[in-house]
Amino acid sequence: GQQVMQIPQYQHVQEGEDFTTYCNSSTTLSNIQWYKQRPGGHPVFLIQLVKSGEVKKQKRLTFQFGEAKKNSSLHITATQTTDVGTYFCAGPSGTYKYIFGTGTRLKVLA
Amino acid sequence: IAGITQAPTSQILAAGRRMTLRCTQDMRHNAMYWYRQDLGLGLRLIHYSNTAGTTGKGEVPDGYSVSRANTDDFPLTLASAVPSQTSVYFCASSQLYNSPLHFGNGTRLTVT
Repeated sequence: GQQVMQIPQYQHVQEGEDFTTYCNSSTTLSNIQWYKQRPGGHPVFLIQLVKSGEVKKQKRLTFQFGEAKKNSSLHITATQTTDVGTYFCAGPSGTYKYIFGTGTRLKVLA
Repeated sequence: IAGITQAPTSQILAAGRRMTLRCTQDMRHNAMYWYRQDLGLGLRLIHYSNTAGTTGKGEVPDGYSVSRANTDDFPLTLASAVPSQTSVYFCASSQLYNSPLHFGNGTRLTVT
């Protein structure tokens, strides 16, 4: 079946350093969504990418959808302690089903 | 405040017991989902429903059942709990296919 993998599984960075997580799907995706889950919390929607090669920015966060629509990345510039959490990508599988990636847990050291 | 309500917040359950996790949304979303979250495995889809009266199987449906009698409620039932069902369970909803998912606060279930 369809698989969505993320790397790395964990990342520790010093505050102010950059961070990138990568998402790879075994199949072509019509769109991809990104979520953030704070420790002890629930996933919260960040953004959706639809077009091949699309790049979207939210303040210090940059999201990119690959040309083949099988991979995506999230880059955070100059991390802050508020960026701590787990970042998930999610892609549609059939109708009304979203399959989540394994997540990247980010820890920011002050 | 509009959103998704899950109950209970946490539960310790003896193996073999039956348990229903409740999920209610007040956003009139068409689609609802149940995910389980385990460390290192991310969020895995258990069951989903794209509209009242219909349900479908996700990635890990065995041992779980759902019903969707109306738009707002989507309960998840464990007929006979086993320790491997120890997990955090999240209910989610979306207005349309390809719309963002809104998650509840989760239910932490421990099966002993």
